[in-house]
Amino acid sequence: AQSVTQLGSHVSVSEGALVLLRCNYSSSVPPYLFWYVQYPNQGLQLLLKYTTGATLVKGINGFEAEFKKSETSFHLTKPSAHMSDAAEYFCAVSARGGANSKLTFGKGITLSVRP
Amino acid sequence: GAVVSQHPSRVICKSGTSVKIECRSLDFQATTMFWYRQFPKQSLMLMATSNEGSKATYEQGVEKDKFLINHASLTLSTLTVTSAHPEDSSFYICSAGSGGTTGELFFGEGSRLTVL
Repeated sequence: AQSVTQLGSHVSVSEGALVLLRCNYSSSVPPYLFWYVQYPNQGLQLLLKYTTGATLVKGINGFEAEFKKSETSFHLTKPSAHMSDAAEYFCAVSARGGANSKLTFGKGITLSVRP
Repeated sequence: GAVVSQHPSRVICKSGTSVKIECRSLDFQATTMFWYRQFPKQSLMLMATSNEGSKATYEQGVEKDKFLINHASLTLSTLTVTSAHPEDSSFYICSAGSGGTTGELFFGEGSRLTVL
């Protein structure tokens, strides 16, 4: 069984400030971990993913995340927020099983960016 | 990159009617597609796994007679909401895997259903 915990529902930062969105997971098998972004009334876009290898993963739009097995975490960061980063962010986990594995999502975090 | 397309993006229907939503993988074949439902300001809840050429696998609590899923080809899965009611109003999103071992899925743009 797998689960994802995203603490808090809303994060607000100033433009140019550090973005930190937290994600903790639970998995009975080595996990695949993902961060997705969703803009209003749109589908999900993959930001980055961890499969194997390097635990620091770089994604699109300047985002990165670090897989920490000891902490069962996969927090998403961006050094400097842009107004265009305002969106809903979802952390997700899947079991190692190929592209047909089901994703389990966290409840999501709304990121607001203040001018 | 891989693209998954949904149609329609928005649909409004009267209570009691049925609505069909299509999910297509445009540049790859998908033996498996997933259907999610998303309520406002909430996460995505997996409804069912659509398998090409066989019956869909529904998650616990999802009525298979209410939400009919057909995966007739490697590039098309359809979700039909039968006898829709206002509580079925939601954002429905499909996803498809392009294969490989990474578990990555590509998501459609979503379909917003409003039942009057």
